[in-house]
Amino acid sequence: SYELTQPPSVSVSPGQTASITCSGDKLGDKYAYWYQQKPGQSPVLVIYQNTKRPSGIPERFSGSNSGNTATLTISGTQAMDEADYYCQTWDSITYVVFGGGTKLTVL
Amino acid sequence: QLQLQESGPGLVKPSETLSLTCTVSGGSISTTSYYWGWIRQPPGKGLEWIGSIHYTGSTYYNPSLKSRVIISVDTSKNQFSLKLRSVTAADTAVYYCARHYGEWHSKDYYYYYYMDVWGKGTTVTVSS
Repeated sequence: SYELTQPPSVSVSPGQTASITCSGDKLGDKYAYWYQQKPGQSPVLVIYQNTKRPSGIPERFSGSNSGNTATLTISGTQAMDEADYYCQTWDSITYVVFGGGTKLTVL
Repeated sequence: QLQLQESGPGLVKPSETLSLTCTVSGGSISTTSYYWGWIRQPPGKGLEWIGSIHYTGSTYYNPSLKSRVIISVDTSKNQFSLKLRSVTAADTAVYYCARHYGEWHSKDYYYYYYMDVWGKGTTVTVSS
């Protein structure tokens, strides 16, 4: 079955750039998606089709996907960006696949 | 604005069947581009996809749960439902329903689905 691997945690200082990685076999050949989940809330889609932002998502959120790694980048990180982030892709056998999630701490 | 709302018992006994319904408002469930599905999140853990259904009845299921899961759709009520049988404490989780949008991948030659609208979630505890 297809698997996605994320670091459990990432820390960033306010105003700096945060990068969250998601690794999977030839992930760059697939589409990667990213979700933000704040405590007690439902997940929110922040990146689709590797690099695209849904309406209402701030420009400081960007995505890339190449080789075996997709990356979510948050530029000028704000305190409100502190959350859990999940990557996701689709596989022909296992269908929806989520990464284990990364807790982003802004300190 | 499209909204999804989960409903169902918050407590289920071990070995019984968990049943949840998701009501869609602000839009029709009978739309070709979308599947409608379920995701769960055990306390303190990550997201686990359960499965999804198209209004025509076509389904996708997580292979690890497929033997215990049935997802159905009722277009007249603009609802879809989840049944998970033979539950154990490991099935205790927040259950979300979500709209799945499909986008065509020109190299893989199939659709990729992602969740663009989520419900608020409902907590289900499995306990006697």
